[in-house]
Amino acid sequence: SQQGEEDPQALSIQEGENATMNCSYKTSINNLQWYRQNSGRGLVHLILIRSNEREKHSGRLRVTLDTSKKSSSLLITASRAADTASYFCATVTQAGTALIFGKGTTLSVSS
Amino acid sequence: DTEVTQTPKHLVMGMTNKKSLKCEQHMGHRAMYWYKQKAKKPPELMFVYSYEKLSINESVPSRFSPECPNSSLLNLHLHALQPEDSALYLCASSQDRQGANSNQPQHFGDGTRLSIL
Repeated sequence: SQQGEEDPQALSIQEGENATMNCSYKTSINNLQWYRQNSGRGLVHLILIRSNEREKHSGRLRVTLDTSKKSSSLLITASRAADTASYFCATVTQAGTALIFGKGTTLSVSS
Repeated sequence: DTEVTQTPKHLVMGMTNKKSLKCEQHMGHRAMYWYKQKAKKPPELMFVYSYEKLSINESVPSRFSPECPNSSLLNLHLHALQPEDSALYLCASSQDRQGANSNQPQHFGDGTRLSIL
């Protein structure tokens, strides 16, 4: 069963622009993770934010978490064509023992 | 290159065939996972192994049979599959099983693209 819902489902931007993707979830979580999937490949872990954290940075990535609104956002700054991929949020619920993935956002970055 | 290796990359099989998917990791991870992913959909968890024991089976049909021969290997045995089983099958591993006291990422292989004729 899906826990997260990403928004938007698809996003098209130009190189150099910022891309923001949002994720909402339903139940209390232990942590929230973001993954990237290039076409025909496996998922690559990008960043993990714990339930007691509000913001986290990794290179050009910035993730925020608002547990009161049960939502998270992923910001990719100065996007590149190589950022073209599907992005999934995934949660580990406090009661659960596995990752539950959202539907994903497909990002297209054109040069 | 990923640290989780899956073979074969592609597999075409008939509904009466028996085949196996293989997954290997040498990161010393003690939890391993099988996911099924249909086109333009998120991965769906099938099985979780923790310390070589099956800990989660997400009500997967018995035509899929997992096996964990040792801490580095995970197999998925396939028999009498249906056309709707055509999908990308992903293997993943993590240091320990996800849980309330665990905050760790999963490492994914590139998957086996399975087509059932």
